[in-house]
Amino acid sequence: GDSVTQMEGPVTLSEEAFLTINCTYTATGYPSLFWYVQYPGEGLQLLLKATKADDKGSNKGFEATYRKETTSFHLEKGSVQVSDSAVYFCALSDHRRSARQLTFGSGTQLTVLP
Amino acid sequence: DVKVTQSSRYLVKRTGEKVFLECVQDMDHENMFWYRQDPGLGLRLIYFSYDVKMKEKGDIPEGYSVSREKKERFSLILESASTNQTSMYLCASSLGGLSTDTQYFGPGTRLTVL
Repeated sequence: GDSVTQMEGPVTLSEEAFLTINCTYTATGYPSLFWYVQYPGEGLQLLLKATKADDKGSNKGFEATYRKETTSFHLEKGSVQVSDSAVYFCALSDHRRSARQLTFGSGTQLTVLP
Repeated sequence: DVKVTQSSRYLVKRTGEKVFLECVQDMDHENMFWYRQDPGLGLRLIYFSYDVKMKEKGDIPEGYSVSREKKERFSLILESASTNQTSMYLCASSLGGLSTDTQYFGPGTRLTVL
């Protein structure tokens, strides 16, 4: 079945550092890929998405590129802020599944220190 | 903006009690989902619904049931709560059809079963 593997956390960075959170996936077919973010005490919010190979999703300075050849969707940000401290989830949606169910990775806790 | 609300942020129940978790969305979405979130395991799908009175099991349906009598409301029922159902429960909705996979999440209900 489908699966998503994220780099394990927690990740601690200083403000203005470069961020990479690795995400790889296993799926039959051509899934859509997502990054969701969960701030403390809140539900998940969509951060960015990509629906086909070589697409780049971007939002709030975060970027991720859909790499079919390496089955990856790594999240990057050039300069993190304290306000980026949150849990980040990589997810995929298989177009063939009913109701477009999402399969999530285990999440990566990011803490940014001032 | 899409709004997904959940009836309680925190609940404490006793083993064997019947527990109802309510979720309401205000954007006329076709699909609704219930997940549980546990540290290190990410989000796991319990049940979902793609139409009123229609439901399908997710990855971990055992010990749970659901009800969708109206399009905007999706309830998760723990027939006889057990301590291993202590978790964060997240509800989500999505538009449906082929137009989008984006799911919108509520703030979550943290359930403790004693």
